[in-house]
Amino acid sequence: EADIYQTPRYLVIGTGKKITLECSQTMGHDKMYWYQQDPGMELHLIHYSYGVNSTEKGDLSSESTVSRIRTEHFPLTLESARPSHTSQYLCASSEGLAGGPRGELFFGEGSRLTVL
Amino acid sequence: AQKVTQAQTEISVVEKEDVTLDCVYETRDTTYYLFWYKQPPSGELVFLIRRNSFDEQNEISGRYSWNFQKSTSSFNFTITASQVVDSAVYFCALSEAGTGGFKTIFGAGTRLFVKA
Repeated sequence: EADIYQTPRYLVIGTGKKITLECSQTMGHDKMYWYQQDPGMELHLIHYSYGVNSTEKGDLSSESTVSRIRTEHFPLTLESARPSHTSQYLCASSEGLAGGPRGELFFGEGSRLTVL
Repeated sequence: AQKVTQAQTEISVVEKEDVTLDCVYETRDTTYYLFWYKQPPSGELVFLIRRNSFDEQNEISGRYSWNFQKSTSSFNFTITASQVVDSAVYFCALSEAGTGGFKTIFGAGTRLFVKA
């Protein structure tokens, strides 16, 4: 059973606000990821991390930033939210190379952000 | 560069019909991993299957089966005797071992409607 948690599940905020989307996993996975997805549409990788103090940008350019100070925690921050940031943000983790022995990504339930 | 194409945007079937979801991928690596994920209306992505590039053996799991053909770069997914609970968006994904497995990219997804 996957143990990866995202908060908040839903967030509606005004333009210009700073927001942080939280993501925590209890599986001890080194690799963590953030994907952006419009409802039912393609997932786009925006950030990933090899491990503590390691972060990389993904294929889709994003104005968000991430940090990885602890293995289990991979928060995503938007310093000044805009309506174009309205989307669903999915956090995932995996064990190792291509996800480890079983290879899969474990996903959280997502954070649906609406910026007015 | 990696690319995953799911040409079928939406498929609608009647319960008990068989349905095949197509996935075509592009990669320059000889070692790579392919996945299928299911995203039900609740939004959380659920892992279904993983295949590495050296294992072309087809797999059956209950009503689900997968056909991996390297010659055509395809990894198709068949649901036999579909049920209403199969209604979801299905994503095919590709992860290249050469990149450390970090950049798992997803196709655009196929939305499956199963009508009672």
